[in-house]
Amino acid sequence: NAGVTQTPKFQVLKTGQSMTLQCAQDMNHEYMSWYRQDPGMGLRLIHYSVGAGITDQGEVPNGYNVSRSTTEDFPLRLLSAAPSQTSVYFCASSYSNTGRSYGYTFGSGTRLTVV
Amino acid sequence: AQSVSQHNHHVILSEAASLELGCNYSYGGTVNLFWYVQYPGQHLQLLLKYFSGDPLVKGIKGFEAEFIKSKFSFNLRKPSVQWSDTAEYFCAVKTRGGSNYKLTFGKGTLLTVNP
Repeated sequence: NAGVTQTPKFQVLKTGQSMTLQCAQDMNHEYMSWYRQDPGMGLRLIHYSVGAGITDQGEVPNGYNVSRSTTEDFPLRLLSAAPSQTSVYFCASSYSNTGRSYGYTFGSGTRLTVV
Repeated sequence: AQSVSQHNHHVILSEAASLELGCNYSYGGTVNLFWYVQYPGQHLQLLLKYFSGDPLVKGIKGFEAEFIKSKFSFNLRKPSVQWSDTAEYFCAVKTRGGSNYKLTFGKGTLLTVNP
């Protein structure tokens, strides 16, 4: 059982380049989300999905796109990278809220530097 | 929208000292509350969670937290810290209702335990 797998672990981009951060989970979790972690800012929600075909914006969605074509995968796309997007990105998944409180399982993170 | 405040940015303790990290949230409805820990270079791991029932919640590694509804607080405690507890600690709130799927994090408290 791999849990939440993020690739790549490290990436350096030039300003204006595009790329996709991959996130996959094998726990049949309906809910998946992307966070960015910056020093002194905690984790901020970028986008989330409550199931295949359903996505919504979080707190800081600008400059990022997502799609959810399968339950397992939730890729995050940077359309035109900017230095302000230098951060550590975490993907998290959970069972959907059915009245129970489930913890979120986090991936190991992608450290992205935009130069 | 809900928000989470963690009062201490950096706490420095000696081994065997007692720990209390403050967390307050702002949301008038029903909440689920979490504490996560992030060891250096690692991803977030769930320490404990509160859903309902007994407001005193026990987690892993000797940590506990008390939910005080009247104070909108969910403080984390440990009677005697160890050097291995050095990490960053995040309080998080998940609301139940219109924003069911959004887990909002505080900005984190860095705990340094000196041997």
